[in-house]
Amino acid sequence: NAGVMQNPRHLVRRRGQEARLRCSPMKGHSHVYWYRQLPEEGLKFMVYLQKENIIDESGMPKERFSAEFPKEGPSILRIQQVVRGDSAAYFCASEPERASYTQYFGPGTRLTVL
Amino acid sequence: QKEVEQNSGPLSVPEGAIASLNCTYSDRGSQSFFWYRQYSGKSPELIMSIYSNGDKEDGRFTAQLNKASQYVSLLIRDSQPSDSATYLCALKTSGSRLTFGEGTQLTVNP
Repeated sequence: NAGVMQNPRHLVRRRGQEARLRCSPMKGHSHVYWYRQLPEEGLKFMVYLQKENIIDESGMPKERFSAEFPKEGPSILRIQQVVRGDSAAYFCASEPERASYTQYFGPGTRLTVL
Repeated sequence: QKEVEQNSGPLSVPEGAIASLNCTYSDRGSQSFFWYRQYSGKSPELIMSIYSNGDKEDGRFTAQLNKASQYVSLLIRDSQPSDSATYLCALKTSGSRLTFGEGTQLTVNP
């Protein structure tokens, strides 16, 4: 049973470009969470999605950031017009149908903004 | 007050000793508690989950929860150099998101 998959593992962008991060949850999991870990800081919640629905986006910056989890395909976290402060590790986690289960993390995407 | 607070660390113990990691939280409505291990440059890996007061043991790891004191801990017995990592305390309150502490860096010296 494959774990949570994320790609790319490393992403380099110049200021002003767009970054697209992808997450495929574990088989049978329909809940996806995105977290961000800034250098030398803890993990911070960004957004919680189920298929075709954003359930909680209270951790998302108001501008430039968006997320989706379409009926088919991976969840995507999109960052428009990246700035150096967006440089961080972005982790996706998934959970089974019952939301009370624990969350399992993917390997992360390390975004570097030049 | 931070929602989740952990030992500031770093914590250093000799090989074979017991490592004790502590975490306090502010929201009495917190329902579920987790310990994750994170090696440098890697993703968090679930070590233990605990939902009710008392102790829960899994191999060399024991999680302890005291909801009245709003306290959760992780004990690692017979610590090994491979246990050297950052340990993250996390919890869920009424929603589904995880709220993490800043982490405690543990070093086990051979």
